[in-house]
Amino acid sequence: KNEVEQSPQNLTAQEGEFITINCSYSVGISALHWLQQHPGGGIVSLFMLSSGKKKHGRLIATINIQEKHSSLHITASHPRDSAVYICAVYRGQKLVFGQGTRLTINP
Amino acid sequence: GAGVSQSPSNKVTEKGKDVELRCDPISGHTALYWYRQRLGQGLEFLIYFQGNSAPDKSGLPSDRFSAERTGESVSTLTIQRTQQEDSAVYLCASSLGPPGTEAFFGQGTRLTVV
Repeated sequence: KNEVEQSPQNLTAQEGEFITINCSYSVGISALHWLQQHPGGGIVSLFMLSSGKKKHGRLIATINIQEKHSSLHITASHPRDSAVYICAVYRGQKLVFGQGTRLTINP
Repeated sequence: GAGVSQSPSNKVTEKGKDVELRCDPISGHTALYWYRQRLGQGLEFLIYFQGNSAPDKSGLPSDRFSAERTGESVSTLTIQRTQQEDSAVYLCASSLGPPGTEAFFGQGTRLTVV
């Protein structure tokens, strides 16, 4: 079992839908990253969380430390949101990554 | 610079040759990380630098892989005697503070060993 599990692995939705991507981890962590990777391969940091909830534009990230679970939500999804979304947790000095969720938003 | 810069963006090399990949972190970022992403797989940790020293190099897959950092700035990842299984995207990230602070990623170097 991976230390960081994401679900779903693939998600296809229509433009405008509300999207939720989940991340569960099995180890104690100091912080959790949500990252976005576009087809060209570049990675953008969306959020870093250690507690509670953060919002940036149409993106919302929440974390429940006790349950070792985080969610990334996208409201009013748009085709440009199509990307791979990766959850990563700091364990000691390194980031441990989930396998990613491939999101496709159709117009 | 404004972001983490990696070069080259693409590298095709023959099996058995040595390659050097370069990472320029964001100015002032003391922590620097190298990760690898093989096709269709997740990201794997390779090495972490704090300043010019590498307290954690546990992810380097073999002694063909080495990395150094100078001037608390540029880092070079060297792969000797490349093998086809080394083909991957090599990503560099930097952060202002120690692990646990936000990391910023470069665009990666796509390495293809033929």
